[in-house]
Amino acid sequence: GAGVSQSPRYKVAKRGQDVALRCDPISGHVSLFWYQQALGQGPEFLTYFQNEAQLDKSGLPSDRFFAERPEGSVSTLKIQRTQQEDSAVYLCASSAAGSRATDTQYFGPGTRLTVL
Amino acid sequence: EDQVTQSPEALRLQEGESSSLNCSYTVSGLRGLFWYRQDPGKGPEFLFTLYSAGEEKEKERLKATLTKKESFLHITAPKPEDSATYLCAVQASRRGANSKLTFGKGITLSVRP
Repeated sequence: GAGVSQSPRYKVAKRGQDVALRCDPISGHVSLFWYQQALGQGPEFLTYFQNEAQLDKSGLPSDRFFAERPEGSVSTLKIQRTQQEDSAVYLCASSAAGSRATDTQYFGPGTRLTVL
Repeated sequence: EDQVTQSPEALRLQEGESSSLNCSYTVSGLRGLFWYRQDPGKGPEFLFTLYSAGEEKEKERLKATLTKKESFLHITAPKPEDSATYLCAVQASRRGANSKLTFGKGITLSVRP
């Protein structure tokens, strides 16, 4: 079946522009995660949804970052007034289970954001 | 705070030369330890989940093991196509924790023909 998809795959923004990154999880997956991966580093947690509820946003670096999943499927990560330090790969992952279950997270290909 | 440390940072092997990758972790209650493979320009690809000390899992040339403080990914007779970055991550079971993963920095493996 189809895996997690993300769009766009690459995004170049001028400093100060707003960007929106989209994630289509595996159909039926309850949990959705966003991670940020800097060059040469492991992914770092940003935020977590269970269905449409955002249960944890403790990893969002600033109030310029906002995520939503209004219908419990597709999610959008929005970054306002982008800064150069926002340049990274943004990964989306989904899993079948709710928060108390151990379950495999399947990752999308990521969106590489470059802020000039 | 959950922490994951992977070593070495990079490893270069000759084809057929077996070796092990290390993942040391601290977590207040381990729900699961995960190994992923990541190729350049792609997202992490799931390999294994380990849940308790003493557990082992195998897949082709890879075997993952778990103790109370660390995990090893053993690569037997590697081939050039095993070249990738290998990521280790932990998931906590403490009250209030969600299913988020805490990753190490990864180990970049290069296998020369």
